[in-house]
Formats: sequence, structure tokens, C-alpha cells
Amino acid sequence: AQSVTQLDSHVSVSEGTPVLLRCNYSSSYSPSLFWYVQHPNKGLQLLLKYTSAATLVKGINGFEAEFKKSETSFHLTKPSAHMSDAAEYFCVVRVTGFQKLVFGTGTRLLVSP
Amino acid sequence: DTGVSQNPRHKITKRGQNVTFRCDPISEHNRLYWYRQTLGQGPEFLTYFQNEAQLEKSRLLSDRFSAERPKGSFSTLEIQRTEQGDSAMYLCASSLLEDRGNTIYFGEGSWLTVV
Repeated sequence: AQSVTQLDSHVSVSEGTPVLLRCNYSSSYSPSLFWYVQHPNKGLQLLLKYTSAATLVKGINGFEAEFKKSETSFHLTKPSAHMSDAAEYFCVVRVTGFQKLVFGTGTRLLVSP
Repeated sequence: DTGVSQNPRHKITKRGQNVTFRCDPISEHNRLYWYRQTLGQGPEFLTYFQNEAQLEKSRLLSDRFSAERPKGSFSTLEIQRTEQGDSAMYLCASSLLEDRGNTIYFGEGSWLTVV
């Protein structure tokens, strides 16, 4: 079964410092992977997606993620955190052959001044 | 606002009552999804429609749950004989079949509290 594991439930950074949110996936096939962000009382917003094209994927708001098959990882990074980045981030995999998305448990990003 | 619209945004109901949530997808989006999210967890897939056909259904969708999309536009999710364990946020999402990247757009969710 396809799944994702988010290695940190909380990540705290200072404004202006780099962000790293870690995600490992499990899939027998070439996966479709996504990162979504959820701000309090807001809907989920797609940050970026990997669908077997370039392994380095650039998303919105300066985020990017690198697909590493050898490490089964899809970590999310941003060079410089902004206060507005504070939110819950979900790593997601699509079940091959289906429309179902499987979400990780989420990583809460805290950004301090 | 032309995003995915969900109503009501909040619902408090007594155990045993029936509730219904409505989702209006983005105009012309032929794919529609329902997810459930409990506190501290990621969303869990419930069901998927392509136009009016319900093509995927999770085992989480017990016989107390029913989703419909009768005309291939809006959808309803009904929960009968609610239980406290049904308390969660119910998320609707939509996408366009013709979008090869299949970007999925989520609504802001409908919160259900069963007391």
C-alpha cells in the first residue's frame, strides 16, 4: 500500500532561516507526490507536485521539493522562512491507478520573529 | 469567490440525528472528492465522483454515510444516526478531468460536532 511518513510533527524556525520539512514515501510504483499547506480555518492549498518529470520541483511562495528515489524521500524546503509560512504542511501520495490521495499526519511549522 | 464552496461551515448536532453537507465544486470541474479530517490528523479519503458516477469509495464510508452527485454538479454528504466519532471536518475538493496534472482544489471544510 502506498503511504507517506512525515518525520516531524513540529518544526520551529526563526524568520529568515531555512525551512526543511521531511517526508518519506512508500510506493511500489513511480509515485505522484504532493505537498499541501493548511492555514488555520482555511482550506488545503497545493504547494507543489511531483509527477515523474523533473526531480526538483518548484512550488508557490518560494517552496521547493526534491524527489529522491534512492532515499524514498520528498522533503520540502524554503531558503528563508517568513512569518506567514506558519501553518500545517501535509505530504501526500496518490494511490496509483486511483484518484485517492493518502495524506501524512502533518508537520506544524512554527516561525518566530 | 469561485473556489470550492461548502455549506454549512459549522454544524452541531445531537447524537442520533442526521446531518447533510453540501459541496459546490469549481464551475465545470467534473471530478469531486470528499475527505474527512479529525483533529491532529491528515485528511482521509472518503469518496470520489467523476461527473455523477461514484467511482471510488473508502471503507471508512460506512452504511450510515451516503454521498450523491445527482446532476454531476453539486454534491451532498449525508450522515445518518450520527455518533460522537463522526465529529470531524468534512472536506470537499474538485478537479478537472482534462487537467493532466489533476490539480485538486479543496474547500474550507464543514465542521461537524456531535454532542
